[in-house]
Amino acid sequence: DGGITQSPKYLFRKEGQNVTLSCEQNLNHDAMYWYRQDPGQGLRLIYYSQIVNDFQKGDIAEGYSVSREKKESFPLTVTSAQKNPTAFYLCASKKARGTEAFFGQGTRLTVV
Amino acid sequence: GIQVEQSPPDLILQEGANSTLRCNFSDSVNNLQWFHQNPWGQLINLFYIPSGTKQNGRLSATTVATERYSLLYISSSQTTDSGVYFCAVTTSGTYKYIFGTGTRLKVLA
Repeated sequence: DGGITQSPKYLFRKEGQNVTLSCEQNLNHDAMYWYRQDPGQGLRLIYYSQIVNDFQKGDIAEGYSVSREKKESFPLTVTSAQKNPTAFYLCASKKARGTEAFFGQGTRLTVV
Repeated sequence: GIQVEQSPPDLILQEGANSTLRCNFSDSVNNLQWFHQNPWGQLINLFYIPSGTKQNGRLSATTVATERYSLLYISSSQTTDSGVYFCAVTTSGTYKYIFGTGTRLKVLA
């Protein structure tokens, strides 16, 4: 079945460690997105990518990094520079401008 | 950048009641979607509606792009409609997809 897969569903990290969240899609979508959601809040854009080997910062990119080496994959690394990384992270993809976006199930990251 | 405001921020309804949720945006858009986030955090696509009106069962949506707003109508609400409703937009010439502030809906049995 086509869709967007985020893994893992739950992730625990020690303070000071980098961690990478996976996002894979088999929808042949061009654009991919990463959002952060804090409890009771809306979704804030971290990074987005329109095509392979290209990505742009969103509104809260500090402390995060991404890569887009394959069309299907858009991993997000939460670095130790991110001061408050505990949050719910959502990945999305869409085919092109003027089309709807679809979301993965999300990853809940907790810093312990 | 574009601002996307939703109202009301919170809404409590009795089962069977109708409601209207509003999404205002500060610039012209070429993409608009409505989502429902369930209690487990999953975002469910409701409508892709950059302009015009669409209906899907008890839900319908209208976007008036020239006046920079969209409305989501929920009729005969059910407890399973509870959750948070978001609109999201992109502006012309960009892939940047920005979410609104959300409306938290609780439907009481």
